[in-house]
Amino acid sequence: DAGITQSPRYKITETGRQVTLMCHQTWSHSYMFWYRQDLGHGLRLIYYSAAADITDKGEVPDGYVVSRSKTENFPLTLESATRSQTSVYFCATSLGRSTDTQYFGPGTRLTVL
Amino acid sequence: GENVEQHPSTLSVQEGDSAVIKCTYSDSASNYFPWYKQELGKGPQLIIDIRSNVGEKKDQRIAVTLNKTAKHFSLHITETQPEDSAVYFCAASNFGNEKLTFGTGTRLTIIP
Repeated sequence: DAGITQSPRYKITETGRQVTLMCHQTWSHSYMFWYRQDLGHGLRLIYYSAAADITDKGEVPDGYVVSRSKTENFPLTLESATRSQTSVYFCATSLGRSTDTQYFGPGTRLTVL
Repeated sequence: GENVEQHPSTLSVQEGDSAVIKCTYSDSASNYFPWYKQELGKGPQLIIDIRSNVGEKKDQRIAVTLNKTAKHFSLHITETQPEDSAVYFCAASNFGNEKLTFGTGTRLTIIP
């Protein structure tokens, strides 16, 4: 049972390039979330999705695009990467709303040169 | 929106001693307060949570206390062990919300 997986685990790219981070879950949880983790800022929500084809902005959505055509997948795209987007990105899922446990993936470390 | 502040940012304690991490929140409507533990190279994992109808909850060596009047809650770890070394995050939300607001994290180091 894979649970929640993220790919790639590590990515180095250059400023201006498009990058897509993948998130896949096997639990059929309704909610999926994308966070970025930066020193001094903790976990900040980028986007979340309550179900397939339903997405909403979080705290820091600028420069990111998401889609959710299938319940199990929630890709995050950086349309034109900037150095400020160098971070560790975590995908998470939960059965329902915020008071349900969130299950986090292993993270993707992204470096933008 | 909700704002969660967490202190201290780093904490070192001798093995066997207790550790306390404190968080304050701004939205008086918040009524759900989880704590997540993040080990090196891994994603955060829920270790305990508390809802506003109780003031304290314990699970073995871990306890969380909540003071709704003062809008703060704390994580207490007793008899600390090396495996307690990790980054701990507090968070807050309410039952009608879809999102959690996380604190900035505390790096706990247990000194053998």
